[in-house]
Amino acid sequence: GDSVTQMEGPVTLSEEAFLTINCTYTATGYPSLFWYVQYPGEGLQLLLKATKADDKGSNKGFEATYRKETTSFHLEKGSVQVSDSAVYFCALSRPGNTGKLIFGQGTTLQVKP
Amino acid sequence: GAGVSQSPSNKVTEKGKDVELRCDPISGHTALYWYRQSLGQGLEFLIYFQGNSAPDKSGLPSDRFSAERTGGSVSTLTIQRTQQEDSAVYLCASSRLAGVGYDEQFFGPGTRLTVL
Repeated sequence: GDSVTQMEGPVTLSEEAFLTINCTYTATGYPSLFWYVQYPGEGLQLLLKATKADDKGSNKGFEATYRKETTSFHLEKGSVQVSDSAVYFCALSRPGNTGKLIFGQGTTLQVKP
Repeated sequence: GAGVSQSPSNKVTEKGKDVELRCDPISGHTALYWYRQSLGQGLEFLIYFQGNSAPDKSGLPSDRFSAERTGGSVSTLTIQRTQQEDSAVYLCASSRLAGVGYDEQFFGPGTRLTVL
């Protein structure tokens, strides 16, 4: 069945460091890929998405590229801030399906000043 | 505009009792989803509504779980004879489009259920 695997956390970085959170997936066909973020005390919200191979999603300085050949959708940011501390979830949804999201286990990011 | 709202925000119940969790999606959103977030299982899909019908109930863990949606709007998730393993945060999400797989889902703040 469909699945998403994320690197285990927690990830602790200093402010202005480079961030990579790895995400790989298993799915039939060409799923849409998402990164959702959960800030402390807040609900899940969409960070970025990509719907076809080689698409790059970007938002708030974060970006991720849909790599069909490596079935990956790694999240990157060039310079993290304390306010980026949150839990990040990679997810997929298969086209023509119900749109339900299959989530990875989440990666906690802590950025220290 | 208003986002997805859920009530109650917290619910503590005794094992064996029934509970009802409510979700008010964003007005006009056709699709509605329930998910469960627990420490052991992560974020898992429970059920999907397209309008008032539920074409995908594949994530409901047992027949103690049921859900309905009325008027293409409010949804209620009911758990009968609650067990301690039902303790989790129950999340509701809605999206404007149904069944397309690429539309953004908007999540509510969740209901934290604790079964004693």
